[in-house]
Amino acid sequence: DAMVIQNPRYQVTQFGKPVTLSCSQTLNHNVMYWYQQKSSQAPKLLFHYYDKDFNNEADTPDNFQSRRPNTSFCFLDIRSPGLGDAAMYLCATSRDRGHQNTEAFFGQGTRLTVV
Amino acid sequence: AQSVTQLGSHVSVSEGALVLLRCNYSSSVPPYLFWYVQYPNQGLQLLLKYTSAATLVKGINGFEAEFKKSETSFHLTKPSAHMSDAAEYFCAVSEMRRTSYGKLTFGQGTILTVHP
Repeated sequence: DAMVIQNPRYQVTQFGKPVTLSCSQTLNHNVMYWYQQKSSQAPKLLFHYYDKDFNNEADTPDNFQSRRPNTSFCFLDIRSPGLGDAAMYLCATSRDRGHQNTEAFFGQGTRLTVV
Repeated sequence: AQSVTQLGSHVSVSEGALVLLRCNYSSSVPPYLFWYVQYPNQGLQLLLKYTSAATLVKGINGFEAEFKKSETSFHLTKPSAHMSDAAEYFCAVSEMRRTSYGKLTFGQGTILTVHP
């Protein structure tokens, strides 16, 4: 029944070593989001895809990139992780149908540790 | 621009007592408002949402919230706290227009502790 699935749940990476987090969805939603949540802080939107259109938030560092090869999958790439990138990364989806929209559905998150 | 302020980073109640978590928002356009709950090392689960229909919104697990435009508030309440309600709660706002449902601005969160 899992609808938004994030893998892995826990990821440890080395300082400066590229890492990829994955998200898949079974909801067939056209919008997918990546949020970063640092310890004891609120989630913060990094970027989102509206279908294949990529939308970056103005203050998202260049170190963060994303790919969406198809409707179901979305990846978060961190090119050179720093210690400050350790956080929970949350993937979310929503459906936009013009006048009918759904709320965001979140995955369980991937907790990234940088050593 | 939008913002959310949650008053009180920690709230502690006794089991069976009223739960009140406060949320005030700022938005230049009519807002959609949400309350999410997060358990340790878990994702966010939607409790309830306001999308311009009824101002009193009922959600899951006995929670409800009332949208008060004049006070720019969307406080979350539950008449009787249960031990399983202990978690972190986030209030969030998005703009009332297309493509904005999941583009959320969150408050800083309120950790709810429930004592036996």
